[in-house]
Order: sequence, then structure tokens, then C-alpha cells
Amino acid sequence: QSVLTQPPSVSGAPGQRVTISCTGSSSNIGAGYDVHWYQQLPGTAPKLLIYGNNNRPSGVPDRFSGSKSGTSASLAITGLQAEDEADYYCQSFDSTLSGSIFGGGTELTVL
Amino acid sequence: QLQLQESGPGLVKPSETLSLTCTVSGGSISSSTYYWGWIRQPPGKGLEWIGSMSYSGSTYYKPSLKSRATISVDTSQHQVSLRLSSVTAADTAVYYCARHKSRATGIDYWGQGTLVAVSS
Repeated sequence: QSVLTQPPSVSGAPGQRVTISCTGSSSNIGAGYDVHWYQQLPGTAPKLLIYGNNNRPSGVPDRFSGSKSGTSASLAITGLQAEDEADYYCQSFDSTLSGSIFGGGTELTVL
Repeated sequence: QLQLQESGPGLVKPSETLSLTCTVSGGSISSSTYYWGWIRQPPGKGLEWIGSMSYSGSTYYKPSLKSRATISVDTSQHQVSLRLSSVTAADTAVYYCARHKSRATGIDYWGQGTLVAVSS
């Protein structure tokens, strides 16, 4: 069981908007630690998608955005495309564990 | 372009020690800006942070793995190493080498990963 909770799966039609939630606690997201998001295409290593809650690395389309509030964070994907079909993971730091933590991952299906 | 490449045995026997090496190329492993770490992913499951090491030599491990994991950096060989002792089938996973700027920042570079199976 992961310290950060994500929905196991989400889906949407091409062109639609989907959001993926990441729920933590007062020892991680709620303590002010940043949330980062990764996209993992089948058979490949994860790729940094969003860092520091809402920042995109160079090359990541602006269709991807992140937000954080209280003990939760969200990843939003607009203008859904078939190539967005992947697993998405959130990550933060936990002061109790004194280390990095990941969400359980969310599988995105483009209908 | 920074590249990380993991290498090591693909099969380890139960109770033995898993040893992996990550070779860093295209950039400096000696920079005081970065941490080097390991993440693993059991087949069909999610990501699990194992631990990280700073340039200064400070190491940080997931509490449940701390007694078995050792991370080291050899700047002369441009390598980051992981040793995990007393392995069981539960340690079967794809192991990724990674770079990040601090203990709480995102991982900006990942290796391609290497699958290690624990079986007799």
C-alpha cells in the first residue's frame, strides 16, 4: 500500500480532459513538500512530466499541468491523445520516512 | 546528453547479494549539485524508492530496506552501485538508476532499467 494514493485507472476520449489525483498526508504533501509527476510508457523507464508541483521540463507539452492544494495534488491532461496512454506516478518526500515516496500509479486509457 | 546505464546479473539466488552498477556518461558524476539513487519496480507493479546518495557521501534509504541496501558512488569510474543483501523473490524487479537535485526534488534522469530475478 503506497503512502500516496492514486486512482488505479482513468480513461477519456481523444480531445477530452482528464485529471489524476494524488492524495497524501501531513507528513508529505501537506507538510509543503513538492509533488512531481512521471509518465511511463509500456516497457520504458519513467519520464519526468511535472516537477515542483506545476513546472514542465523542456519538451513536455503544455497539455500537461499540475496543481497542489493541502494534502493533495493533481495532474491534468487536456486535448487527450492516443500517445498519452501510459501509467502516471506522483512522487513526493515524506518527513516521517525521511525519504522519497511514490503513488501506486494510475493507468490512463484513451478510448 | 546525460546517460545512465545499469548493468549486473539478471538472476540472483535467494539469500545471496544483488549487485548492480550504473555507469554515468555525458555529464559529471562529481557535481555537488546532484544525488544519485536507485528505484525499483516489481513486474506489473508500481515504483519503489530504494535509496540515494549525495556527492558528499550522505546516504538515505527506505526504512524497510535500510538494513540490506548499500549505495556507493565511484567518481573515478563514473559509477553508482547498489548492493542488496539477503534477497528473496520479493526483490525481483526492474531496477532503475536515477539522478535528482536534492532529497525532495524530482528525478530528471533515469537509466533504462535492468530486470533482476531472484530464483533458485
